[in-house]
Amino acid sequence: NAGVMQNPRHLVRRRGQEARLRCSPMKGHSHVYWYRQLPEEGLKFMVYLQKENIIDESGMPKERFSAEFPKEGPSILRIQQVVRGDSAAYFCASSGQLNTGELFFGEGSRLTVL
Amino acid sequence: SQQGEEDPQALSIQEGENATMNCSYKTSINNLQWYRQNSGRGLVHLILIRSNEREKHSGRLRVTLDTSKKSSSLLITASRAADTASYFCATALNAGNMLTFGGGTRLMVKP
Repeated sequence: NAGVMQNPRHLVRRRGQEARLRCSPMKGHSHVYWYRQLPEEGLKFMVYLQKENIIDESGMPKERFSAEFPKEGPSILRIQQVVRGDSAAYFCASSGQLNTGELFFGEGSRLTVL
Repeated sequence: SQQGEEDPQALSIQEGENATMNCSYKTSINNLQWYRQNSGRGLVHLILIRSNEREKHSGRLRVTLDTSKKSSSLLITASRAADTASYFCATALNAGNMLTFGGGTRLMVKP
C-alpha cells in the first residue's frame, strides 16, 4: 500500500515562472492537506481539501497560490509568478476518515527559486 | 503566532541518555500529536494523546499532557544515535484532522 506520493521531489524555477506540485494521497484517503516548511522551521498550514472541494484555505496566500483536488487524479498546488520567498519545502499529507487524528505525510517537494 | 512552541529548540545528548522535549500551546485542543522528521524527509507520526488523557506510552516514548497548563512533554528513553531528528508537536483544535505545528526540537544523539 503506497504512501503519500509527491512529485517532483525537487523543482528549480526562475522568478516569474510557474511551479506545479503534485500529491497523490494514500489509497482510500479523501482528505489532503498542504503545508510549507522553511529551513529550520516548523510546518505552516496552507490548505485543506477534500475531493473537488476546498475546505479551508486560510493559510494560503490570496495571490499567486491555488490548490485543487479533482475527482480524478492528484491534488495540485500551483504557484504562479514565483518569487525567491517561495523557496521552501512543500509537504502534502492525507487522512482517511475524520477523527482518527493522524496525518500521513509525503516526502515533500523542495522548490528553489533562482 | 504558532499554536505550539517546543522547548528546547535544540538538544544534544549521549547515546543511552533520556531526551525530554516540551511543547506549549495556546488554545483548547481536541488532541496533541508528536511527529518526527529526519533531515530532508517527510514527517512520521509518533503518538497521539487526546485531551482527556494524561499520559501515553509507545515503546521508548512517553507523552504527557497537562491541559490546565496547556503543555505536553515527549520523553525518549535510552536514546540511540538513530533517534537523531527533529521532533514536532502538533495540535488539533477539533475532531477534524487539521493540525497546527510548533517550531520543533532538533535532537542530536551522539554515539
